[in-house]
Amino acid sequence: LAKTTQPISMDSYEGQEVNITCSHNNIATNDYITWYQQFPSQGPRFIIQGYKTKVTNEVASLFIPADRKSSTLSLPRVSLSDTAVYYCLVEGDSSYKLIFGSGTRLLVRP
Amino acid sequence: DADVTQTPRNRITKTGKRIMLECSQTKGHDRMYWYRQDPGLGLRLIYYSFDVKDINKGEISDGYSVSRQAQAKFSLSLESAIPNQTALYFCATSDDRGATKNIQYFGAGTRLSVL
Repeated sequence: LAKTTQPISMDSYEGQEVNITCSHNNIATNDYITWYQQFPSQGPRFIIQGYKTKVTNEVASLFIPADRKSSTLSLPRVSLSDTAVYYCLVEGDSSYKLIFGSGTRLLVRP
Repeated sequence: DADVTQTPRNRITKTGKRIMLECSQTKGHDRMYWYRQDPGLGLRLIYYSFDVKDINKGEISDGYSVSRQAQAKFSLSLESAIPNQTALYFCATSDDRGATKNIQYFGAGTRLSVL
C-alpha cells in the first residue's frame, strides 16, 4: 500500500514558480504518480501523471527521481486562480486503496 | 466533469433514514468510485467497481452499500443514516486504456447533511 506525504500548506505570490513535493517511499514497480487539483466544493481535477523522469504538459511539470520515492509537481508562474488543494496519488495494480491523503493547500497572494 | 453526473447535489435527511446517492457517466469508463470528503480533509474511498460484476470495499465502507446497475451507473446507499455521515460525497470514473493510467474524472459532488 503506497502512502503519500505532502506539506500541509504552501504560500506563494503571483508569477512565482511553485514546487510541491510528495513522498511515497513504498511505491511499487507498477505504480504511477498522479496529481490532482481541487477547488472548494468541487471534485478533484487531473493535472499530470508520470512514471519516471520528467513529464510536462500545458499546465505543469512533474519531476520523478530515479528511485521514484518522491515526486515534485512544478507550477510555473502561478496566478491567483491556482489557489487550491493539490493531491499526490500513487496508484497501480498493487495499490488499489487509492489514498488521497490531506493534500497541500496552496495559497497564491497578489 | 459534466460527463459524470451526481444526483442529488444537496440532501438533508434525518438520522435512521435510508438514502441513495446516484452517479451516472457518459465517458464509457468501466471503473467507478465513491469517495467522501470531510471539511478540511482529503478524500476517502468508500467503494469501487471495475466493471458491472465487480464491487470492492474501500477504506471506509462500513455503513454504506453500493449497486452497479450498469456500466454507466453506480449508486451509493446509506442504509440508516447517522450524523457522522454528514459529508461531501464524490463519484468518479476512470479507465485503464491508453497512454494515461486510470485518471479519475469526478462529479460535482453531493453535499449530504444528516440531522
